Amino acid sequence: DTEVTQTPKHLVMGMTNKKSLKCEQHMGHRAMYWYKQKAKKPPELMFVYSYEKLSINESVPSRFSPECPNSSLLNLHLHALQPEDSALYLCASSQTGTGKTGYTFGSGTRLTVV
Amino acid sequence: GQSLEQPSEVTAVEGAIVQINCTYQTSGFYGLSWYQQHDGGAPTFLSYNALDGLEETGRFSSFLSRSDSYGYLLLQELQMKDSASYFCAVLNRDDKIIFGKGTRLHILP
Repeated sequence: DTEVTQTPKHLVMGMTNKKSLKCEQHMGHRAMYWYKQKAKKPPELMFVYSYEKLSINESVPSRFSPECPNSSLLNLHLHALQPEDSALYLCASSQTGTGKTGYTFGSGTRLTVV
Repeated sequence: GQSLEQPSEVTAVEGAIVQINCTYQTSGFYGLSWYQQHDGGAPTFLSYNALDGLEETGRFSSFLSRSDSYGYLLLQELQMKDSASYFCAVLNRDDKIIFGKGTRLHILP
């Protein structure tokens, strides 16, 4: 298995809703990442988990809450989002956690906040 | 801070060769990566350069000059399926990959 699987593929939520994005990989990668990507923009790093511990939080608002239940799973909990949070949310993983062998990205969750 | 500069768009003809340049400013530089992203798709890893010189992988090659803070991606024998956005990305000592703004490659038949 050489994939990162993200669910759901599409999500529409209201500003008062609570939802979660899920990410799963079975490549034995020990680093996992959340990125946010707006249309025609580069991916922006949000969070890094290394060996199931949060190692980097890029000053992301608290309405985004990451969780890493185990080495294969990564969640992003969403609460009280704003319309400007609408974007493609990408999960990625890497073998060594150093990026030298590249990140494997999932196909993303396209989130619309209404 | 850190910054990466790459052209916003490049146009080339099918079968030709195209070079996408990237200059960067960052502290604690480890290496330069390249990613391809088709519309609606996920970024796909293409290459990584930590040392000066050229790395070749099939039709794609990537070059790095650490002294010039410069790299490029070279695509040969262009095919229509190569139409995509290409991102250079810096790996720094914080173990983060930071992406450039991307170059949209248009290929004409």
